[in-house]
Amino acid sequence: DGGITQSPKYLFRKEGQNVTLSCEQNLNHDAMYWYRQDPGQGLRLIYYSQIVNDFQKGDIAEGYSVSREKKESFPLTVTSAQKNPTAFYLCASSMATGGVAGANVLTFGAGSRLTVL
Amino acid sequence: DQQVKQNSPSLSVQEGRISILNCDYTNSMFDYFLWYKKYPAEGPTFLISISSIKDKNEDGRFTVFLNKSAKHLSLHIVPSQPGDSAVYFCAASAGETSGSRLTFGEGTQLTVNP
Repeated sequence: DGGITQSPKYLFRKEGQNVTLSCEQNLNHDAMYWYRQDPGQGLRLIYYSQIVNDFQKGDIAEGYSVSREKKESFPLTVTSAQKNPTAFYLCASSMATGGVAGANVLTFGAGSRLTVL
Repeated sequence: DQQVKQNSPSLSVQEGRISILNCDYTNSMFDYFLWYKKYPAEGPTFLISISSIKDKNEDGRFTVFLNKSAKHLSLHIVPSQPGDSAVYFCAASAGETSGSRLTFGEGTQLTVNP
């Protein structure tokens, strides 16, 4: 079955530590995204990538970093510079065939919950 | 600056009745709108979308209405079922292509009581 796999599902981190969240997709989607969900704030875009070896900052990129070395993979690193990292993190992907209606309909993974101790 | 706003954090309805979830937006460049449904500890799943060239789109029990002049859209679920209990997110973009970033609302928790 095609889909998006996020791991780990739950992660605990001590203050000052960097952690990396994994996101893998087998949908053959070109574009991948990272969102953060906090209570009462909806989904906020952290980073996105429309093509391998290229990515752009979203609305709340400070304290995060990403890489896109393979089409299937878009890992997110939460660095110690992120002031309030405790949140639910969602990875998503979409087609990137330019001009196709509905190409920005996102398919989401099941999410990773990060808790800073 | 919240460009997409869902003013009701929660909504409770009886099974079999209609559920109406509302969403307002401020950016006049938005021309494509989507609704997502999310269960706890899962990722959101796409429900239904509408382009600004339409004012209504229907898919089974789900209908989305768009009022461009009021910058308002709503999702109607009829009849509501207990399995519909979830958080519903409204999202908007300027364009439908892959480069069109989605802006999400805060979400509305729908509870359908048996």
